[in-house]
Amino acid sequence: AQTVTQSQPEMSVQEAETVTLSCTYDTSENNYYLFWYKQPPSRQMILVIRQEAYKQQNATENRFSVNFQKAAKSFSLKISDSQLGDTAMYFCAFMMDNFGNEKLTFGTGTRLTIIP
Amino acid sequence: GAVVSQHPSWVICKSGTSVKIECRSLDFQATTMFWYRQFPKQSLMLMATSNEGSKATYEQGVEKDKFLINHASLTLSTLTVTSAHPEDSSFYICSARRGMVAGWRGETQYFGPGTRLLVL
Repeated sequence: AQTVTQSQPEMSVQEAETVTLSCTYDTSENNYYLFWYKQPPSRQMILVIRQEAYKQQNATENRFSVNFQKAAKSFSLKISDSQLGDTAMYFCAFMMDNFGNEKLTFGTGTRLTIIP
Repeated sequence: GAVVSQHPSWVICKSGTSVKIECRSLDFQATTMFWYRQFPKQSLMLMATSNEGSKATYEQGVEKDKFLINHASLTLSTLTVTSAHPEDSSFYICSARRGMVAGWRGETQYFGPGTRLLVL
């Protein structure tokens, strides 16, 4: 079974600074997908970024980028120029590349607070 | 695109009653929908996977007769909590995945806004 570990329960950073959230996972699969989801106080889950394991290039979405280290099974999220609206719970998630069995396995989350 | 709605957003009911929660994909066809449960300050726990036109697949430990799932169309899945009790109080979230395109894998799941259930 796959597991996802987020070792930072809470983090806080000053507005406009850069912050990195950690995520490690355990799997014996070679092909899979990784995601970062954001859950603000409204509790709506919002996709932040996704990464295909077969791609060596790290995914980026505007101020959000990942550092995907496949051998180390590490998938960290970097938020640049942090904004107050980035305050939320962030969940790292893993999905196997298995048609018909594409369940998401979530980490325990990191609560990020952006300080004005 | 890729908007998922849930209804109701809030429900309070008496113990012993049944509650139905709807999950709709508004601008795409979802062959697969997922139902999650989230306790306060915890992560999402997958309850079941719902495929259009077939029976849902439940995760270990989830009571099938307690949580009835129906996925009758490509845009609607429902979760019915039968004979609800206070321990069923929780935040229920659905997600939907687009239909599979030939050769495409790893489709992203899009989430609904959730339903808060309080059983008195």
